[in-house]
Amino acid sequence: RKEVEQDPGPFNVPEGATVAFNCTYSNSASQSFFWYRQDCRKEPKLLMSVYSSGNEDGRFTAQLNRASQYISLLIRDSKLSDSATYLCVVSPGGYQKVTFGTGTKLQVIP
Amino acid sequence: EAGVTQFPSHSVIEKGQTVTLRCDPISGHDNLYWYRRVMGKEIKFLLHFVKESKQDESGMPNNRFLAERTGGTYSTLKVQPAELEDSGVYFCASSKYDRAKNIQYFGAGTRLSVL
Repeated sequence: RKEVEQDPGPFNVPEGATVAFNCTYSNSASQSFFWYRQDCRKEPKLLMSVYSSGNEDGRFTAQLNRASQYISLLIRDSKLSDSATYLCVVSPGGYQKVTFGTGTKLQVIP
Repeated sequence: EAGVTQFPSHSVIEKGQTVTLRCDPISGHDNLYWYRRVMGKEIKFLLHFVKESKQDESGMPNNRFLAERTGGTYSTLKVQPAELEDSGVYFCASSKYDRAKNIQYFGAGTRLSVL
């Protein structure tokens, strides 16, 4: 079983739609959780950190469920510019390595 | 502020040759990480430096890979001799000393093709 699992997609959604991605992790000792975004052949860029209380940044909402060991990302009012691969990233905390999921590809269609 | 820079962006070499990848972290970032993505797979950890010291090299695939970070600034990753399965995208990331949260900033990667 992979440490971090994501549905690879692709998710093809029309502009203005709401789309949600889930990610599950196997290490119950994980302490830090992130969503990164990666455009084709570019660097992964931090989209948002994920906290137990949930956090929101504009159209993006992230949630963490420690009991079920999953993380979610909700994107409201999708824009064409949201088309990218969304990477779920988990870490034991501190300065330790992070572990990536395979990423979920999102394509927003006009 | 300049981001993490990696050089070269692409490298095409033949099996058995040597290649050296370079990473310049964000200025002031003590933590430097190397990761690799082989085709169709997730990005995987290779190793972690704190300043010039190797903190964790558990992800290094074998002794054909040698990473250095002399002086605690830039880092190099040498593959010698390269094999076909070494093809992939090599990412470097850096983070500063902040125990509250370790946000890693990534470079655009070096795409290595071994023929």
